[in-house]
Amino acid sequence: LAKTTQPISMDSYEGQEVNITCSHNNIATNDYITWYQQFPSQGPRFIIQGYKTKVTNEVASLFIPADRKSSTLSLPRVSLSDTAVYYCLVGEHSSASKIIFGSGTRLSIRP
Amino acid sequence: EPEVTQTPSHQVTQMGQEVILRCVPISNHLYFYWYRQILGQKVEFLVSFYNNEISEKSEIFDDQFSVERPDGSNFTLKIRSTKLEDSAMYFCASSWVADTQYFGPGTRLTVL
Repeated sequence: LAKTTQPISMDSYEGQEVNITCSHNNIATNDYITWYQQFPSQGPRFIIQGYKTKVTNEVASLFIPADRKSSTLSLPRVSLSDTAVYYCLVGEHSSASKIIFGSGTRLSIRP
Repeated sequence: EPEVTQTPSHQVTQMGQEVILRCVPISNHLYFYWYRQILGQKVEFLVSFYNNEISEKSEIFDDQFSVERPDGSNFTLKIRSTKLEDSAMYFCASSWVADTQYFGPGTRLTVL
C-alpha cells in the first residue's frame, strides 16, 4: 500500500473553495486514489475516487497530475457542515482488502 | 440510497461481559468488514469477511473476538469478555466484490 501524506489540519471560511493536497510518491500503476470524509462520531463516508486527470461528482472534484504522485481534493464553496476529517487513501481498485486509515486532514470551517 | 445499518447505536456493558454488535450490510454486497475507532485515535481495521469466512484479520482481532453472518442479511461482531480498552466506536462496512467500502454509522461501546 502506498504511503500518503496530507496536512494535519486546515481552516477555511464558509463560501470558500478548499483544496486538500495529498502526496503519494510511491503510488503503483494499479493504485486508485480514494477520499473519505468522517464527521465526529460517524463512520467514514466515501467521497470520490480517481485514477488520473480529473474526476467530479456532486460533492467534490479530484485533481490528479500526470505523474500521479499527488492528488488534490477540491471542495467548492464550503459550508459549516463540511467540517470533518478527510482521508486520502491509495490502493488497488480491484482489491477488496482492509483500509488503512491515517490521521487525515482535520478541516475546520468558520462562519 | 442503500446504506449500512448498525445496532445498537450505543452499548454500555460491564467488564467481562459478552457483547454482540449487529450490522446489516448493503444487500448485494459480498465483502464485510469491522473497524474500530478509540476516541481521538485513528480508524483501525479489525477483520474482513467473505464467503462465510474470515479473509483477513488484524492483531487486535484476538480470540476474544468473533464474527458471524448468521443469515442472509446480518453480520455480527462478538466480544466474549469485554475489557476496558475495548471501549470504542465500532464501524461495520461492506463492499461489492472489490470496490469502495461503505460504512455504517457505528456502535459506541462503553465498557465500565
